[in-house]
Amino acid sequence: AQSVAQPEDQVNVAEGNPLTVKCTYSVSGNPYLFWYVQYPNRGLQFLLKYITGDNLVKGSYGFEAEFNKSQTSFHLKKPSALVSDSALYFCAVRDGGGSQGNLIFGKGTKLSVKP
Amino acid sequence: GAGVSQSPRYKVTKRGQDVALRCDPISGHVSLYWYRQALGQGPEFLTYFNYEAQQDKSGLPNDRFSAERPEGSISTLTIQRTEQRDSAMYRCASSSLLQETQYFGPGTRLLVL
Repeated sequence: AQSVAQPEDQVNVAEGNPLTVKCTYSVSGNPYLFWYVQYPNRGLQFLLKYITGDNLVKGSYGFEAEFNKSQTSFHLKKPSALVSDSALYFCAVRDGGGSQGNLIFGKGTKLSVKP
Repeated sequence: GAGVSQSPRYKVTKRGQDVALRCDPISGHVSLYWYRQALGQGPEFLTYFNYEAQQDKSGLPNDRFSAERPEGSISTLTIQRTEQRDSAMYRCASSSLLQETQYFGPGTRLLVL
C-alpha cells in the first residue's frame, strides 16, 4: 500500500535561516513525488515534483527538494526562509507504474517563519 | 488562464439533506479528481474521471456519495442524506492526461448541522 509520512506537525524557523520539511514515502513501483503548499483559506498550490532524472528538483518560490531512493525520502528545502513562506505543506506520492492516478497525501507540516 | 473553480465555496446544510458540489476543471484537462480533507489531515482520494468515464470510485465512503462528469468537463459530487460526519473540505483537481501534476481548486467547505 502506498503511504506518505510527514514526521513533524510543525517546523519553526527564523527568517533568513535554511528550512527543511521532511517527507518519507512507501510505494510499490516508481514513485512520483509532489509538494503542495496551502495558505489560509486558499487551495492547494503546486510547488514542485519529482518524476525521473536529477534527484534535486527546483520549484516555485525558491523551494527545492531532493529525492533519495535509498532512504525513500523527498525532503523540501529552502536556503533562506521568508516570513511569507509560513503555511501548511503537504507531500504526496503516486505509483508511477500503476494505472491509478490519485495522489496519497501526508498529514501536512505547518511551517512557521518568525522575523 | 483560468484555474480550477469550485462552487459553492461554503455550504451549510441540515442533516438528511442532499448536496451537490460542482467542479469546473482547467480547460482541456481530461482527468478530474475529487478529494476530501478533514481538519488537520491531508486530502484523501474519493474518485476520478478520465473524460466522462469514472475510472475509480474506490475512495467513496459509502453509497450516499456519487459523482458524475457527463460531458467530460464539469463534474458534480453529490452527497445524499447528509450526516454530520460528512462535514469537511471537498477538493477538486484536474490534470492533462499525460501530465502528472494535479492542479487544485479552492475547495468547498461543507458543514452539516
